[in-house]
Amino acid sequence: QVQLVESGGGVVQPGRSLRLSCVASGFTFSSYAMHWVRQSPGKGLEWVAVIWYDGSYKYYGDSVKGRFTISRDNSKNTLYLQMNSLRAEDTAVYYCARDQGAFGGYPDYWGQGTLVTVSS
Amino acid sequence: AIQLTQSPSSLSASVGDRVTITCRASQGISSTLAWFQQKPGKAPNLLIYDASRFESGVPSRFSGSGSGTDFTLTISSLQPEDFATYYCQQFNNYLWTFGQGTKLEIK
Repeated sequence: QVQLVESGGGVVQPGRSLRLSCVASGFTFSSYAMHWVRQSPGKGLEWVAVIWYDGSYKYYGDSVKGRFTISRDNSKNTLYLQMNSLRAEDTAVYYCARDQGAFGGYPDYWGQGTLVTVSS
Repeated sequence: AIQLTQSPSSLSASVGDRVTITCRASQGISSTLAWFQQKPGKAPNLLIYDASRFESGVPSRFSGSGSGTDFTLTISSLQPEDFATYYCQQFNNYLWTFGQGTKLEIK
């Protein structure tokens, strides 16, 4: 069965960096686009970024563009999110999600999330 | 970016009720819209995509309709496990956005 396991969350000071990872299993990782979606405590869902199946295209939400970088290593079945210049408003549970296809579409399987807290 | 506005923001209903949630897009998005269900402390679950297509395993009491700017999610007969928060989501021009959510509570 499809499994997505995020890691790398924690408490970080404003202005610092953090890298999240998402290890995938149960499907052919290299055939699917992947997303990061976040949810601030008690708030709604916010799409963060998507990467095509082969890493050739990447797109970002306006609130993270220029600060966050999505990447993948298909040989390790792993998705990454490099987060730089973190702000208090980046505090959220970060979910990785598989897309239905190779290119950006609908996220159909989600991990359980990893909590990032940006605080001094 | 295209904005999605859901209504109502919250809704109280009883088991067996028929419930409809609306999602309005700030501009036309054809049928590129999905609906998700999220329960407290859990990841979202895809219910409907392309406005009206069922994700595998979703009960038939859920249905979606609409195109262009106006979309609806209908639950024909509420079950206890349906009390959750529902989100619509679209993608166009390589930007994905979610609605603000509709919290469905037990009356």
